[in-house]
Amino acid sequence: ETGVTQTPRHLVMGMTNKKSLKCEQHLGHNAMYWYKQSAKKPLELMFVYNFKEQTENNSVPSRFSPECPNSSHLFLHLHTLQPEDSALYLCASSREREVNIQYFGAGTRLSVL
Amino acid sequence: GQNIDQPTEMTATEGAIVQINCTYQTSGFNGLFWYQQHAGEAPTFLSYNVLDGLEEKGRFSSFLSRSKGYSYLLLKELQMKDSASYLCAVLDSNYQLIWGAGTKLIIKP
Repeated sequence: ETGVTQTPRHLVMGMTNKKSLKCEQHLGHNAMYWYKQSAKKPLELMFVYNFKEQTENNSVPSRFSPECPNSSHLFLHLHTLQPEDSALYLCASSREREVNIQYFGAGTRLSVL
Repeated sequence: GQNIDQPTEMTATEGAIVQINCTYQTSGFNGLFWYQQHAGEAPTFLSYNVLDGLEEKGRFSSFLSRSKGYSYLLLKELQMKDSASYLCAVLDSNYQLIWGAGTKLIIKP
């Protein structure tokens, strides 16, 4: 148990669906991250929130929309996805943006049909 | 560009020692991390090196040479539960983590 919980663990969706991924951390951290993990590729940083403010958006397509209502919760809203978006989506948190021991959730395995 | 290189896969025997290498070329350096990720689970923090030298933590040790852009993770007395992927990541001058693709370690009895 890392203190970071992601739901759902698995998600299958069609290209026209709309779904959301949820992340919750119980560590009292102020920074939260979304990553995409594809087989045999490095983790790709998608979004960073620091004190609920988005500080980074690494050229992510607009079909991915993050939301951070408070320091403990992070969402990733998905719509009109493509098959190449199938991957493991990991959420992480750290105490501050510059203190980078990141604690990860177990991820959501997403399959886009 | 920024780059982290580590072997894709390694195999070792239970009870033995294995060294996983990581070389990096990044814009600045603010430390190097090693994470362990079991299949289907969250990556978990193993070690952080910012100064040259060896950091020992039980059966695991991590070494850093900043002048060579090189690190290794040393695992001793290997156990079957050590079968996992090991991720190397470098914190660059903008405090962004640059990740390697990971090394899948297979332990055989």
